[in-house]
Amino acid sequence: DAGVTQSPTHLIKTRGQHVTLRCSPISGHKSVSWYQQVLGQGPQFIFQYYEKEERGRGNFPDRFSARQFPNYSSELNVNALLLGDSALYLCASSKPPEDEKLFFGSGTQLSVL
Amino acid sequence: AQSVTQLDSHVSVSEGTPVLLRCNYSSSYSPSLFWYVQHPNKGLQLLLKYTSAATLVKGINGFEAEFKKSETSFHLTKPSAHMSDAAEYFCVVDRYNFNKFYFGSGTKLNVKP
Repeated sequence: DAGVTQSPTHLIKTRGQHVTLRCSPISGHKSVSWYQQVLGQGPQFIFQYYEKEERGRGNFPDRFSARQFPNYSSELNVNALLLGDSALYLCASSKPPEDEKLFFGSGTQLSVL
Repeated sequence: AQSVTQLDSHVSVSEGTPVLLRCNYSSSYSPSLFWYVQHPNKGLQLLLKYTSAATLVKGINGFEAEFKKSETSFHLTKPSAHMSDAAEYFCVVDRYNFNKFYFGSGTKLNVKP
């Protein structure tokens, strides 16, 4: 079975631009979560979606938004990019509510210049 | 409030010697605790998960962790390090059991020949 897939793998944007990151969960997984990993730090929780509903939001500004589609794939959108948004963005899927294991994709490396 | 504290940012051991990576957590509830490993340019991989069933948890690749409620610790150990163990390790708590993970800042393990 395919694991969690993310696209693109790398992205370069300039300040003020908008970016969309995409994630396909493992087949059968209905929950998708997004994490931001800044260089040298542990991942930080951004969003969790389950059955297309937002179940949790981390401490991120409203410039960050996400959605989940009927096929359980997900998009993370970031508007008005700042230099500080440069990070590895990780998507994880799971089978909540009973399974707490998260399976992570390899991430999208976003560089904001 | 910090939920997970990894006490060492870097640990260096010789191949064949024991590994100890330290983690303390803070939680008002009985938490779910995990260790994840991140190899360079690869996604996060689950090493092991603590449930309330047993305080000593065995994971993949010979790793294990012991949950000590009195010390609020969940240290990761391995009897004999292998070169392939060199990676960054994250202690993770799911404080509210909602699949909203809080990551520690990570411990980079270096294994010397």
